[in-house]
Amino acid sequence: DAGVIQSPRHEVTEMGQEVTLRCKPISGHDYLFWYRQTMMRGLELLIYFNNNVPIDDSGMPEDRFSAKMPNASFSTLKIQPSEPRDSAVYFCASSLMLIAASSYNEQFFGPGTRLTVL
Amino acid sequence: GDSVTQMEGPVTLSEEAFLTINCTYTATGYPSLFWYVQYPGEGLQLLLKATKADDKGSNKGFEATYRKETTSFHLEKGSVQVSDSAVYFCALSDNTDKLIFGTGTRLQVFP
Repeated sequence: DAGVIQSPRHEVTEMGQEVTLRCKPISGHDYLFWYRQTMMRGLELLIYFNNNVPIDDSGMPEDRFSAKMPNASFSTLKIQPSEPRDSAVYFCASSLMLIAASSYNEQFFGPGTRLTVL
Repeated sequence: GDSVTQMEGPVTLSEEAFLTINCTYTATGYPSLFWYVQYPGEGLQLLLKATKADDKGSNKGFEATYRKETTSFHLEKGSVQVSDSAVYFCALSDNTDKLIFGTGTRLQVFP
């Protein structure tokens, strides 16, 4: 398996533009997570899906951010309009469903998309 | 709510030195504990894990023991290499869907 795939790896855009980040999870995984990493705030969970359904979007900073998962092999994170403070590295991760309460759920991370908003 | 606290970085060491990165947690139940590592320009990857008290996770010479009495999961390695330079994240899962990460500790190893 190729692992979690993210595109683009780097994105530079101007303030006010729409940005779309893409993720392909590992085949067969039930969960998909979107994270944002900045120096100031560390690693933040934005939203996650289970079987393509959004479960918790409480980490999404504001209405400018939206995420979709139209099928099991693809997800997007969209920022419209983008602002300089959105500059960060955005990670996608996927995992299998918990088998039992005592099991663990290793998350497999993609390489990230480095977003710069000028 | 549940949380993870890591020591501030960067941690700077010479090659072959002993490494400790402290991690403590707060959780209402009995979480599973993890250390993830992020090499420059890459995503995070699981380094080791422990799912119950007194378990010791180990991988690539790194070890961490789940200490329920001190709510700690400190990462150790007896002899670090330059290739260990990375950011290390402590994390917990309260056996739900999510992982809760610490802020990360940067390790820099010099020859």
